[in-house]
Amino acid sequence: DADVTQTPRNRITKTGKRIMLECSQTKGHDRMYWYRQDPGLGLRLIYYSFDVKDINKGEISDGYSVSRQAQAKFSLSLESAIPNQTALYFCATSKGSSYNEQFFGPGTRLTVL
Amino acid sequence: QKEVEQNSGPLSVPEGAIASLNCTYSDRGSQSFFWYRQYSGKSPELIMFIYSNGDKEDGRFTAQLNKASQYVSLLIRDSQPSDSATYLCAVTHSSASKIIFGSGTRLSIRP
Repeated sequence: DADVTQTPRNRITKTGKRIMLECSQTKGHDRMYWYRQDPGLGLRLIYYSFDVKDINKGEISDGYSVSRQAQAKFSLSLESAIPNQTALYFCATSKGSSYNEQFFGPGTRLTVL
Repeated sequence: QKEVEQNSGPLSVPEGAIASLNCTYSDRGSQSFFWYRQYSGKSPELIMFIYSNGDKEDGRFTAQLNKASQYVSLLIRDSQPSDSATYLCAVTHSSASKIIFGSGTRLSIRP
């Protein structure tokens, strides 16, 4: 089945460490997204990419960076992790049609101590 | 004002009844509307999308859209305990570049 995968699924790290979260997809979609989810705040967009050469900031990009290594791979980095980046992180993809429905990976639970 | 608003709940509905979930949005240029279901600790799963005024039915689910009132709803008929989850309303921004999510309504189906 065409799918969206994320690694790692769980990560505990310390303040100041650099962390990379990876996302891969076999759906053949052009568009990829990174979200974080905090209790009561819903899904907030961090970065999105419409193709390998296109990177766009979302509503909460400070403290994060991304890399689109290929059509199928989109990585999120926390250069120097801080405790308020503790959250559930989701990668999503979409085909890029005018309806733009998105499909989500299983998520990465990140804890910054 | 949030761009997409939902009542956080919890909404408690008896098994077999109709659950009604509501969502309002602020961008009049919004074009596509989505309902996602999310179980605790899991990823959002697309249930339905709608882009024309009126109703769209898929099995036990009906999405309703009223663009004049900027209102979209999801009805779940014959509610089952497995429907207990958080339901996220999402709206495509008028630029069509991204989706804006509501914070979700927690639904609980009681036996």
